[in-house]
Amino acid sequence: EPEVTQTPSHQVTQMGQEVILRCVPISNHLYFYWYRQILGQKVEFLVSFYNNEISEKSEIFDDQFSVERPDGSNFTLKIRSTKLEDSAMYFCASTRDRGGKNIQYFGAGTRLSVL
Amino acid sequence: SQQGEEDPQALSIQEGENATMNCSYKTSINNLQWYRQNSGRGLVHLILIRSNEREKHSGRLRVTLDTSKKSSSLLITASRAADTASYFCATDEGSNYQLIWGAGTKLIIKP
Repeated sequence: EPEVTQTPSHQVTQMGQEVILRCVPISNHLYFYWYRQILGQKVEFLVSFYNNEISEKSEIFDDQFSVERPDGSNFTLKIRSTKLEDSAMYFCASTRDRGGKNIQYFGAGTRLSVL
Repeated sequence: SQQGEEDPQALSIQEGENATMNCSYKTSINNLQWYRQNSGRGLVHLILIRSNEREKHSGRLRVTLDTSKKSSSLLITASRAADTASYFCATDEGSNYQLIWGAGTKLIIKP
């Protein structure tokens, strides 16, 4: 069964460093999302991406964040200068359709630890 | 405003009993979804119910949706120790159908 894959599973970085989190969505999906979950808290929407551009972003997704689909398969989230409060699980999701049938399939997540 | 709030926050029951979790939301939706998350792991999709549906079943899972009350419930029947996890509801209330999540219910099944 097709699945969303995320790498790495765990990323440890120093404050101020840049990190790139990688995702390979399901191949025939068109809509891509990044969410994050700070330990013990609810999942929060970061950004949605469609047709090679951002379609929506939350207040969390400030200038330190960017997303890219550099080729036909990868979808990346970059944090330019990490802060301690960026420590969280980051989930990538993809879906083929939106609206009534909008099942978003999630990757296993990347745990980002900023020291 | 906070969307997709679950209750209870935590639920501990004996194996074999039924577990019921509730979720409320605030605005109109196209669908509501339930996900499961084992401790520190990924989000696994369980079931989606559309706004024009009232009840849906999948194996030991039963989901109801009451759009007049803006609430949903997830019932797990004949619980097993392996059902121990956090359960989240999520609604597609975002302007671009992004999911808005509740805080989750932590379910513990005691053997």
